[in-house]
Amino acid sequence: AQSVTQPDIHITVSEGASLELRCNYSYGATPYLFWYVQSPGQGLQLLLKYFSGDTLVQGIKGFEAEFKRSQSSFNLRKPSVHWSDAAEYFCAVMTTDSWGKLQFGAGTQVVVTP
Amino acid sequence: GAVVSQHPSRVICKSGTSVKIECRSLDFQATTMFWYRQFPKQSLMLMATSNEGSKATYEQGVEKDKFLINHASLTLSTLTVTSAHPEDSSFYICSARVGSSYGYTFGSGTRLTVV
Repeated sequence: AQSVTQPDIHITVSEGASLELRCNYSYGATPYLFWYVQSPGQGLQLLLKYFSGDTLVQGIKGFEAEFKRSQSSFNLRKPSVHWSDAAEYFCAVMTTDSWGKLQFGAGTQVVVTP
Repeated sequence: GAVVSQHPSRVICKSGTSVKIECRSLDFQATTMFWYRQFPKQSLMLMATSNEGSKATYEQGVEKDKFLINHASLTLSTLTVTSAHPEDSSFYICSARVGSSYGYTFGSGTRLTVV
């Protein structure tokens, strides 16, 4: 069965510093991977996704992620965080059945300090 | 871009009553809609998947008689929480698959509080 793990429940980062959020997946074939961001009381916004091709994926809001098959990882990065980046971040993998359902990690809460 | 409008954003209901949550795709046809539930500080858990014009498929452990899903048109899916109890209080989010490219767009969520 497919699964996705986000090892860090909570990360605190200073404004202007770099950010990296970890995501590991378990999947038998090439996964479809996603990163979403959720502000309090809101729905999810897609930051980026990986289906195939270039393993370094650029997303919105200055985020990027790198797919590393050898490490079963899809870590999210941003060179310089802004206070508005404080939110909950979810990594997700698409399952193999025909419905294309998303399976989400537990999420990482990002706090940005001045 | 593809937008899913979810209403209401917040609802408070009395125990034993039913609540309906609507999700509408505004500028595309959503043949497949997903309903998620999210408890505070937890991840999203898929409750059910619905295809337009057919019965919803529920995830294991989700009571289909309690969480009624109707996907009668390509632009509207509804989730009705029947005979709500305080333990049903949660954040419910819908998601629609956009086209065939495995793009997904999410509604803004509904905060349900059962008192």
